[in-house]
Amino acid sequence: GNSVTQMEGPVTLSEEAFLTINCTYTATGYPSLFWYVQYPGEGLQLLLKATKADDKGSNKGFEATYRKETTSFHLEKGSVQVSDSAVYFCALITGGGNKLTFGTGTQLKVEL
Amino acid sequence: DAGVIQSPRHEVTEMGQEVTLRCKPISGHDYLFWYRQTMMRGLELLIYFNNNVPIDDSGMPEDRFSAKMPNASFSTLKIQPSEPRDSAVYFCASSLRAGPNQPQHFGDGTRLSIL
Repeated sequence: GNSVTQMEGPVTLSEEAFLTINCTYTATGYPSLFWYVQYPGEGLQLLLKATKADDKGSNKGFEATYRKETTSFHLEKGSVQVSDSAVYFCALITGGGNKLTFGTGTQLKVEL
Repeated sequence: DAGVIQSPRHEVTEMGQEVTLRCKPISGHDYLFWYRQTMMRGLELLIYFNNNVPIDDSGMPEDRFSAKMPNASFSTLKIQPSEPRDSAVYFCASSLRAGPNQPQHFGDGTRLSIL
């Protein structure tokens, strides 16, 4: 079956620090990969996605590259802000399906 | 444009009571999803609909849970009877079409507490 493994949180950083949140996956076939973000008290929002190997998804300064050889999709940002504090979820879909498989989420706290 | 609307935002009720959660998807979206989020199990897909028809309910935990979609603009998730272990945040999401290029848009969730 499909599964997604994320690094455990919380991750606490100072403003302007570099962020990496690791994500690895196991999937049948060739999945599409996603990062979702959940701000306190809200639902999940799609942050970025990549649908094939070596694709790079990017949005709001965040990036992630689909690495088939290491089955990874690590999230990075060069300089985090306090407003980036949220929970980040890595997820995948296989084939043309609709069932998102989520990781457990990683809480990010950014302090001044 | 209005997003996915869920109600109530919070529900506190006693064990054994019936609970009904409601969802209005984004207009024109053909797919509707119900998820449950807990600390122990993370985000789990419970059921999803296509054009008001349930397609996959394999994630529904047991017979106490039921979901309906009587029309394109409304869905309910019912728990009867409720138990303390049902306490969680329940999310509804919708998407325009199938597949990875159609992002799922989430509502703000219903935080359910069963005492």
